[in-house]
Amino acid sequence: DAGITQSPRHKVTETGTPVTLRCHQTENHRYMYWYRQDPGHGLRLIHYSYGVKDTDKGEVSDGYSVSRSKTEDFLLTLESATSSQTSVYFCAIREGANNGYTFGSGTRLTVV
Amino acid sequence: QKEVEQDPGPLSVPEGAIVSLNCTYSNSAFQYFMWYRQYSRKGPELLMYTYSSGNKEDGRFTAQVDKSSKYISLFIRDSQPSDSATYLCAMEDNQGGKLIFGQGTELSVKP
Repeated sequence: DAGITQSPRHKVTETGTPVTLRCHQTENHRYMYWYRQDPGHGLRLIHYSYGVKDTDKGEVSDGYSVSRSKTEDFLLTLESATSSQTSVYFCAIREGANNGYTFGSGTRLTVV
Repeated sequence: QKEVEQDPGPLSVPEGAIVSLNCTYSNSAFQYFMWYRQYSRKGPELLMYTYSSGNKEDGRFTAQVDKSSKYISLFIRDSQPSDSATYLCAMEDNQGGKLIFGQGTELSVKP
């Protein structure tokens, strides 16, 4: 199994502050993803990356930016956190064409 | 209209029952179909992966894809309390890069 580590696991922050979530993989998988999960919405794609410095937007990208300067790390930044960004954030990797996606354990973010 | 629709439940069944979970979708370009299981406060874990139409069986789990009807199903035979979780369908087109999820169905199997 691919090793995916998300940090932090929990975070409480104030409205208007910047927040960065980190996703780290231990294998050289090309594709990495950030999803958010909210009641009634399932998982929704925020941004994804298909290589170092190659990223693209998902369906709920407003208010978020990402960076990938190394294969193993994919960072998600909330430039100015809002209460609507209170959610559980999951990072995922794609392990190959026929192997589906593997998810991290999630980061529970609360914006007060 | 969402690209993928899934009845959120909750669904409660007695132990040993056959469970049927379903999703419909609108995008005919979807080619890869998956089912994920998610326990409370955990990340989703891949349960079944199928390509295009047909059936796939793995132990007590069977996944079916009917592309003509844009309908996928997951069947769980001899359900166990340990199957209690949220089940999410997900699908992707052949361009890659975007996995679209249903809302998830919360399943409870009572002893």
